[in-house]
Amino acid sequence: EVQLVESGGGLVTPGGSLRLSCAASGFTFSGYTMNWVRQAPGRGLEWVSSISGTSDYIYYADSVKGRFTISRDNARNSLYLQMNSLRAEDTAVYYCARILLYCSGGRCFYEYHAMDVWGQGTTVTVSS
Amino acid sequence: QSALTQPPSVSGSPGQSVTISCTGTSTDVGRYNRVSWYQQPPGTAPKLLIYEVTTRPSGVPDRFSGSKSANTAFLTISGLQADDEADYYCSSYTISSAYVFGTGTKVTVL
Repeated sequence: EVQLVESGGGLVTPGGSLRLSCAASGFTFSGYTMNWVRQAPGRGLEWVSSISGTSDYIYYADSVKGRFTISRDNARNSLYLQMNSLRAEDTAVYYCARILLYCSGGRCFYEYHAMDVWGQGTTVTVSS
Repeated sequence: QSALTQPPSVSGSPGQSVTISCTGTSTDVGRYNRVSWYQQPPGTAPKLLIYEVTTRPSGVPDRFSGSKSANTAFLTISGLQADDEADYYCSSYTISSAYVFGTGTKVTVL
């Protein structure tokens, strides 16, 4: 079964740091671009960051650039988000999500730029 | 990057059709056919409904359909059912190699 499981959320004071993890299973993790998406309480979805399968391409939303760092360990099938200088407005459920790939005959060719597998989310609360 | 604009809510009776709009700009929705739609029932993670403007993943009923005109994408739900009640979000790939989501639309089945 294809699955993503986030962990590492919790309560942190403003200015503090937190590291989120996302454990992947049931697919060839290294072949997929991965994302972090967050959702503040009662609000909509906000894309945070993405990282390609080989970590060659990394992108961030302007709202987190310079404070958050995305990384992955393909040997451990894991995705990470290091969050520093946290602010109240970073309070949210954080989801990891996989980018949909077109694959045929055991090879993958094309990214559809849509997120087809999501974890259940981990909650980050920034408050004093 | 500003969020794509969706109506806050739409409603319809069982069996009716509803359409949700998603308006962006020439740097996202208008530039690429890389618009996707997600369904999010309360307290759950989003689920992919449509990708590449019109394509449904396997398992998504054909009651859900997508389209696009210029800078605006649309999701139509035909034959509305009670379990279609959820929040719906559009998303687009952008010229900056980023993603932007819509503001979200709550669908209510009357």
